[in-house]
Amino acid sequence: GQNIDQPTEMTATEGAIVQINCTYQTSGFNGLFWYQQHAGEAPTFLSYNVLDGLEEKGRFSSFLSRSKGYSYLLLKELQMKDSASYLCAVMDSNYQLIWGAGTKLIIKP
Amino acid sequence: GAVVSQHPSWVICKSGTSVKIECRSLDFQATTMFWYRQFPKQSLMLMATSNEGSKATYEQGVEKDKFLINHASLTLSTLTVTSAHPEDSSFYICSARDPGTGDVGELFFGEGSRLTVL
Repeated sequence: GQNIDQPTEMTATEGAIVQINCTYQTSGFNGLFWYQQHAGEAPTFLSYNVLDGLEEKGRFSSFLSRSKGYSYLLLKELQMKDSASYLCAVMDSNYQLIWGAGTKLIIKP
Repeated sequence: GAVVSQHPSWVICKSGTSVKIECRSLDFQATTMFWYRQFPKQSLMLMATSNEGSKATYEQGVEKDKFLINHASLTLSTLTVTSAHPEDSSFYICSARDPGTGDVGELFFGEGSRLTVL
């Protein structure tokens, strides 16, 4: 079956760096997405990786290794507003998005 | 960027009544929209794919007669929860792809609709 694994919850300190990992097993691969979801709100797009390597966007970076079925989202200079759930999603061979359960990130002052 | 608007944001209804949720793409035409349901602390679950001008494609286990989807125009899809029951209480979210911009597969989400059935 298809599976996306990511940690349920992580805690980090304001100003620090945190890495959220995602491993996947899907039928085919057409890209991996990271979304941010604040409590009670809809997800918002953060990044898309389809080739191996690191994509940087300001304080957020996303890494992909297709051979390992692995990605991570790196958040630098953490701010309190970064407290949210981070969803990893993989697009399979049918261009369907398979969603992880999300990682709740708690930022402490 | 592309904007998807969803209405209402919150709805409380009595058991047995029907509730309609609207999803609009405000600045682009969406031939396809997606409806998700999300229970607390769980991932998004795709319910159905709404296709403009044709029948929706439902995921396995989703009752077509209970969750009616209509995609009558390129900017509007509606989800009607018929004869709602307390177990239908959830966060319903629509999304669409803007074919003109964004990465392949990037989804733009509506604000979500929180349904509470008493």
